[in-house]
Amino acid sequence: QLQLQESGPGLVKPSETLSLTCTVSGGSISSSSYYWGWIRQPPGKGLEWIGSIYYSGSTYYNPSLKSRVTISVDTSKNQFSLKLSSVTAADTAVYYCARHMGSETPVDAFDIWGQGTMVTVSS
Amino acid sequence: EIVMTQSPATLSVSPGERATLSCRASQSVSSNLAWYQQKPGQAPRLLIYGASTRATGIPARFSGSGSGTEFTLTISSLQSEDFAVYYCQQYNNWPPSITFGQGTRLEIK
Repeated sequence: QLQLQESGPGLVKPSETLSLTCTVSGGSISSSSYYWGWIRQPPGKGLEWIGSIYYSGSTYYNPSLKSRVTISVDTSKNQFSLKLSSVTAADTAVYYCARHMGSETPVDAFDIWGQGTMVTVSS
Repeated sequence: EIVMTQSPATLSVSPGERATLSCRASQSVSSNLAWYQQKPGQAPRLLIYGASTRATGIPARFSGSGSGTEFTLTISSLQSEDFAVYYCQQYNNWPPSITFGQGTRLEIK
């Protein structure tokens, strides 16, 4: 079955760029008509949508993070990635990748999630 | 931005009893509302989408209702594995601007 796995550094210095990758297994990003998203959760807090991408490269971002976020896709590796620039301690969180359940739309629930990866912003 | 407000923040219920969790949207989201369950150290799990449709493999004791701005998640007879944090999520806007509620912690009474 479809599985998602996040990977990337667990520690990032303030003002630097956080970079994470989500690897999709058990299915192809480019052959399926889904959007793929990033969501984060600060320790002890709730969930925040960061943004979503289609295999064609079409992206949508949370307006509150848009100036710092870039999401990209690499169909040859069956991966999509997140870059968040100029990070501060407030960006410390568990970062999840997930699949939107509806075909060809990012306006939908998330039905398949990765296990999440903790990223700490600290010098 | 549509703000999602969940109540109560914490709900204490005994096993076997019914739990009712609420979610309110700051403006209408039609039926574009999902519920998730999250246990410590785990990713959220989709329970309900479209306000009232159970996701694949979700037991029938979970039910969702509501439309517009007021939504409810009901767990008819609580099992030990149901004690967790529950989040609602709206996905109504275009262009998309997905937002989650702050969560309700369901604890054993």
